[in-house]
Amino acid sequence: QKEVEQDPGPLSVPEGAIVSLNCTYSNSAFQYFMWYRQYSRKGPELLMYTYSSGNKEDGRFTAQVDKSSKYISLFIRDSQPSDSATYLCAMSGYGGATNKLIFGTGTLLAVQP
Amino acid sequence: DAGVTQSPTHLIKTRGQQVTLRCSPKSGHDTVSWYQQALGQGPQFIFQYYEEEERQRGNFPDRFSGHQFPNYSSELNVNALLLGDSALYLCASSLAQGARSRESYGYTFGSGTRLTVV
Repeated sequence: QKEVEQDPGPLSVPEGAIVSLNCTYSNSAFQYFMWYRQYSRKGPELLMYTYSSGNKEDGRFTAQVDKSSKYISLFIRDSQPSDSATYLCAMSGYGGATNKLIFGTGTLLAVQP
Repeated sequence: DAGVTQSPTHLIKTRGQQVTLRCSPKSGHDTVSWYQQALGQGPQFIFQYYEEEERQRGNFPDRFSGHQFPNYSSELNVNALLLGDSALYLCASSLAQGARSRESYGYTFGSGTRLTVV
């Protein structure tokens, strides 16, 4: 079993839709939870990060972490064609920014105009 | 403010050859990590360098080695290349110590080096 599981998609939605992306994990030592966006031929770009459980909102993006269920989510409201990319969840244990990241496989999202 | 710079952007090598990839971290960052991203997969952690020493290592063979220089830049070396080493190699820099603001937290990734082994 992989430490982090993520539905690879692809996911296709119309412009303006609400998008829900999810990951599950098995390692209870994970404390830091991140979502990265990766455009084609580019490196991952940090979108959201959360420490421990809870919700975090930034503009059209909301990240949720449920440590009891080992489940994290990213919601994108009013999705735009420019949101079309691969979304990667990533996690790390104690040490935060200096600890290695464990990534999901990524979900490919296409927002249709 | 320059982000993470990687060179070269693309590389084609033959099986059995050796390759060196280079990375300059984001200004102000002192820690460099390397990740391998196969097609359709998430990045896999190779190793991390801080203060010119390897601090953490992922599940990669000894054919993968690295170095960090006093100016924090880094190299990734892969010996005896296999077809399976074909991937996007990502360099990520971070701050070992820093306030947990979005700007200083976590990694800043470069655009990667696309390595093709034939």
